[in-house]
Amino acid sequence: RKEVEQDPGPFNVPEGATVAFNCTYSNSASQSFFWYRQDCRKEPKLLMSVYSSGNEDGRFTAQLNRASQYISLLIRDSKLSDSATYLCVVNIDYNTGKLIFGQGTTLQVKP
Amino acid sequence: DAGVIQSPRHEVTEMGQEVTLRCKPISGHDYLFWYRQTMMRGLELLIYFNNNVPIDDSGMPEDRFSAKMPNASFSTLKIQPSEPRDSAVYFCASSPRGQVPYEQYFGPGTRLTVT
Repeated sequence: RKEVEQDPGPFNVPEGATVAFNCTYSNSASQSFFWYRQDCRKEPKLLMSVYSSGNEDGRFTAQLNRASQYISLLIRDSKLSDSATYLCVVNIDYNTGKLIFGQGTTLQVKP
Repeated sequence: DAGVIQSPRHEVTEMGQEVTLRCKPISGHDYLFWYRQTMMRGLELLIYFNNNVPIDDSGMPEDRFSAKMPNASFSTLKIQPSEPRDSAVYFCASSPRGQVPYEQYFGPGTRLTVT
C-alpha cells in the first residue's frame, strides 16, 4: 500500500465549478500535511498547509481528518489558471521535514 | 532572491555513460533533498542532507547512484553507469530549519534521457 494515495484523475470541470480532491495516508504517526501544486513540466510549489481545524486561503479550503487519515482540498469558483496537478504531501518525521508525496491529482478547468 | 538552481536543465546521454547533476540550494537553508519524478512512480525521495551531512539515502535505487554535498552551497547527484530506466526528471529542493510546517523549495529540475 502506498504511503499517500490520491485519485490521479483527471478531473475535467468547467470554469466556476467547485471541485474536491481527496487523499489518504497510511502512517498514523504523520505530523504535518500539505498540498503542493505542480504545473505541467514545472517544479512542485507549496499551495497550502493543512491544519486539524481546517483552513482556508481564498478559494481554497483544506481539511484534515486524523481519525480517518484523510485529507481534502476544495477549490471553489475554478479558474482556467487552476489547471495543474495537485500533490498531497505528508511529513512523517517532525525533526527532519522529510516529505512523502502522493502521485497527484490532475485538474483541467475548461472555458 | 535566487531560488534553487539546477544544472543542466536537460541531459541526453547514452547508456553506460556517467551523468552528473548539480544543485545550488537557497542560501541559508539547512536541508537539501534530491527527488526523482516519473509518470509511473511519481515523485520519489532519493536522499537528503542536513548541514551537508547525508541523513537518509534509503531512496537511492542502487549503487550506481551517489550523492555528495561538499559544502552548503553545492550538491551533486551522480549516476554511473546510466541506464535507460534512469530517464526521469530529477529535482533538487532545499528547506530552512525552523517552525513546522517546513516548506521545500524546488529547483526547475533536470530532465534526463538515457538512450
